[in-house]
Amino acid sequence: QVQLQESGPGLVKPSETLSLTCTVSGASTSSSYWNWIRQPPGKGLEWIGYIYYTGVTNYNPSLKSRVSISSDTSKNQFSLRLSSVTAADTAVYYCARDPIRGYYFDYWGPGTLVTVSS
Amino acid sequence: QSVLTQPPSASATPGQRVTISCSGSSSNIESNYVYWYQHVPGTAPKLLIYRNYQRPSGVPDRFSGSKSGTSASLAISGLRSEDEADYYCEAWDDSLSALIFGTGTKVTVL
Repeated sequence: QVQLQESGPGLVKPSETLSLTCTVSGASTSSSYWNWIRQPPGKGLEWIGYIYYTGVTNYNPSLKSRVSISSDTSKNQFSLRLSSVTAADTAVYYCARDPIRGYYFDYWGPGTLVTVSS
Repeated sequence: QSVLTQPPSASATPGQRVTISCSGSSSNIESNYVYWYQHVPGTAPKLLIYRNYQRPSGVPDRFSGSKSGTSASLAISGLRSEDEADYYCEAWDDSLSALIFGTGTKVTVL
């Protein structure tokens, strides 16, 4: 059974960098495409981007200038960094697997709420 | 950023059928596959339909997907109380070069 679990600070100050890690079990991050998705309170889902184990990434153009996704296959983890955050970045952040770069997600983490506030 | 439009809500009594629409454009639904997710707030979203109409193993055949032109639909037949959730469509958008989700539909079982 594939499981994903997000972890990281639940509170980030404005203008700082948000950092989250997704730990994967039951599958290897040396295959498939590993994504981040977020949902602001009361709003819909927004795709942030993905990483493939070779290091290839693809980001949502609306966030590209502030986003970086990396992976550590030795730990079976991948991570998100979002810089210069504002209150608009307050959201539940999900990590998810795209099995074949089909731009869909067959397994998701339960999500973690990150609040941007001073 | 969402350019996939869904009705905000839908409801029906147990056993009835509910249909959720997802309206897009030539750059997303018409030219790419559509996917559907079920999301109970506080839990991980679940893939219900992939490649327009296919169901992952374990998803009941009460859930069905279809696509025509720039629109897609999710139908839930034999509605059950556990179907109460938010439902999202999703597709790749060639113009935005981004994956986009629908605005979401909250299904209530009366």
